[in-house]
Amino acid sequence: EAEVAQSPRYKITEKSQAVAFWCDPISGHATLYWYRQILGQGPELLVQFQDESVVDDSQLPKDRFSAERLKGVDSTLKIQPAELGDSAMYLCASSWLGNGEQYFGPGTRLTVT
Amino acid sequence: SQQGEEDPQALSIQEGENATMNCSYKTSINNLQWYRQNSGRGLVHLILIRSNEREKHSGRLRVTLDTSKKSSSLLITASRAADTASYFCATSTQGGSEKLVFGKGTKLTVNP
Repeated sequence: EAEVAQSPRYKITEKSQAVAFWCDPISGHATLYWYRQILGQGPELLVQFQDESVVDDSQLPKDRFSAERLKGVDSTLKIQPAELGDSAMYLCASSWLGNGEQYFGPGTRLTVT
Repeated sequence: SQQGEEDPQALSIQEGENATMNCSYKTSINNLQWYRQNSGRGLVHLILIRSNEREKHSGRLRVTLDTSKKSSSLLITASRAADTASYFCATSTQGGSEKLVFGKGTKLTVNP
C-alpha cells in the first residue's frame, strides 16, 4: 500500500540553527500539506500546496519558515533559525482532493535545545 | 485556530465496552472527518461524513452528524486494546480554502 514518506523521523537541533524536513507524498496526489502538532494538541496546518502552488500559508511563520514543492511532487519544509518553541511533531499529508481524505506520513519529531 | 472541540478529553474503558466521543464545531462545514493517532505516529483516516449525511458506518465505527447542533459523535463498538489511541475530528469548512481544521482530540485507553 502506498504511503507518505518523511525524513528524518527524529531531529535534535540547537536554537538558531537551520533545520529541514522532507516529504514524498503518495504518487498522483496533487495536494500536499505540512502540519505542526504540539504535544497534546491537534495538528495545525502550516502550508497547503496544490501541485507546485501554495494554496494556504496563512499560519506559516514566514520570518523563519519556508516551504517549497518545486516540481509538484516532493516537498521540503525549512526552519531558520530554529527556536525553542518550534519543538513539535511535523506531519506531512497528501490527498487527491483539497477537502477529501488525507494520508499522513509518520512525522518528524523536532527537539530544539 | 481549532474549530472542533472533542469531548471528553480522555476516556478509559474496558475491552468489549463501547466508546463514544463527541465533537462540536463552530462554522458551516463541507464535511467532517475522524482520524486516529497512535502515540508518536502519524494520523490515520477513519471516516468522512458529508454535511448532507446524518450517519455513516465502517466496521465497528459509527459516526453521526447533526448540522443543526454543529456536532458529531464517533462510536466504537466492542472496543479492543488495539483501539487505544487519540481520536481527532477535523472539519472542512465552506467558503474557505477547504483546508482541514483539527480539534484537540480525545485520548482513548482500552484496558485489557
